[in-house]
Amino acid sequence: GAVVSQHPSRVICKSGTSVKIECRSLDFQATTMFWYRQFPKQSLMLMATSNEGSKATYEQGVEKDKFLINHASLTLSTLTVTSAHPEDSSFYICSAQTSGGPSSYEQYFGPGTRLTVT
Amino acid sequence: DAKTTQPPSMDCAEGRAANLPCNHSTISGNEYVYWYRQIHSQGPQYIIHGLKNNETNEMASLIITEDRKSSTLILPHATLRDTAVYYCIVRLYSNSGYALNFGKGTSLLVTP
Repeated sequence: GAVVSQHPSRVICKSGTSVKIECRSLDFQATTMFWYRQFPKQSLMLMATSNEGSKATYEQGVEKDKFLINHASLTLSTLTVTSAHPEDSSFYICSAQTSGGPSSYEQYFGPGTRLTVT
Repeated sequence: DAKTTQPPSMDCAEGRAANLPCNHSTISGNEYVYWYRQIHSQGPQYIIHGLKNNETNEMASLIITEDRKSSTLILPHATLRDTAVYYCIVRLYSNSGYALNFGKGTSLLVTP
């Protein structure tokens, strides 16, 4: 099946700094990628939808100036958490959607990035 | 997307079949039933999906009732590595840029 990678897998940063998380589709092109956040013992919550070459669409309550998303190519989307605070500590997961072919519009998930803000 | 209801937790003995139910009484005719699972601290993993007919793959079987208001995911011979949270999701298939709406899922514990 299609493979999605995330980097880094874990990151610890100080409060006030920015952190960039990369999401790559390794063997397919993804015009659409999604970013989710998951707090401990909770389900995945959609943060934003990232479309290649256009601005991301953010879910209600998600600050677009704090969570910057760039989908510059068909295989890479980045999420930058700006001026991170301890409450931003979470598990961030991306998914990439295939576009065309036998598995049209299926979603494949990355392994997640554990962010800890101290 | 239609809402789904799943039991919060289930236990299953290793080697036995795990049957995970899901209610989706408001499902519409063109919505598919998808199952994903999430092992602790990992990204969700696709398991199976179906529309009307029962489906089977190397991981599991999906049984959908005739009225499509409920379904059951069957892991025929559960192993300890099947311990995970299982999510039943109803969504449109194809031509859809919609994200998956994860509910609370069922936490399956497979015991020795």
